[in-house]
Amino acid sequence: RKEVEQDPGPFNVPEGATVAFNCTYSNSASQSFFWYRQDCRKEPKLLMSVYSSGNEDGRFTAQLNRASQYISLLIRDSKLSDSATYLCVVTLYNFNKFYFGSGTKLNVKP
Amino acid sequence: NAGVTQTPKFQVLKTGQSMTLQCAQDMNHEYMSWYRQDPGMGLRLIHYSVGAGITDQGEVPNGYNVSRSTTEDFPLRLLSAAPSQTSVYFCASKGRGSSGNTIYFGEGSWLTVV
Repeated sequence: RKEVEQDPGPFNVPEGATVAFNCTYSNSASQSFFWYRQDCRKEPKLLMSVYSSGNEDGRFTAQLNRASQYISLLIRDSKLSDSATYLCVVTLYNFNKFYFGSGTKLNVKP
Repeated sequence: NAGVTQTPKFQVLKTGQSMTLQCAQDMNHEYMSWYRQDPGMGLRLIHYSVGAGITDQGEVPNGYNVSRSTTEDFPLRLLSAAPSQTSVYFCASKGRGSSGNTIYFGEGSWLTVV
């Protein structure tokens, strides 16, 4: 069983739409959670960390549900520049092993 | 402003050949790691190091060796290349503990084994 599972998509949405991705993780001992963004043929880059109380960064909102072992990412008012693959990442307490989901592809259309 | 630098960017190998992917970081990070990324599989950890002289295996270590003689460098060696090792390889580094939870990736190395 994969440590982290994501819907691969693609999610095709018009500009201005709101879109949400979910990600589930299998290890209940997972301590920290992140969303990374990866553009085509580029390296992944940190989008945001995910905190237990939920957190927001501009148009992006991340939520964590420890009981159900999933995290979510909500993007409001989608821009063309949001088109990318979004990777869900979890790590255990020692931060030595990061487990990546296979990514959810988002296409924002004009 | 180099960050994590990995070379080469593209390489074609014949089955059975060996090669080394180079990785260097200039952020004085203790933690460095190598991932491979395959379609539908996400990034999988090959090996990692928490400091000079210390290395450990990740999820998919077979067929790869690493060493960490300095804080800056973390080369990945393919001992005898196989077509199954065709992939994109990313080197990454981060600072220490929970305060260093951001992973910085190199730009990737595209490896094809024929």
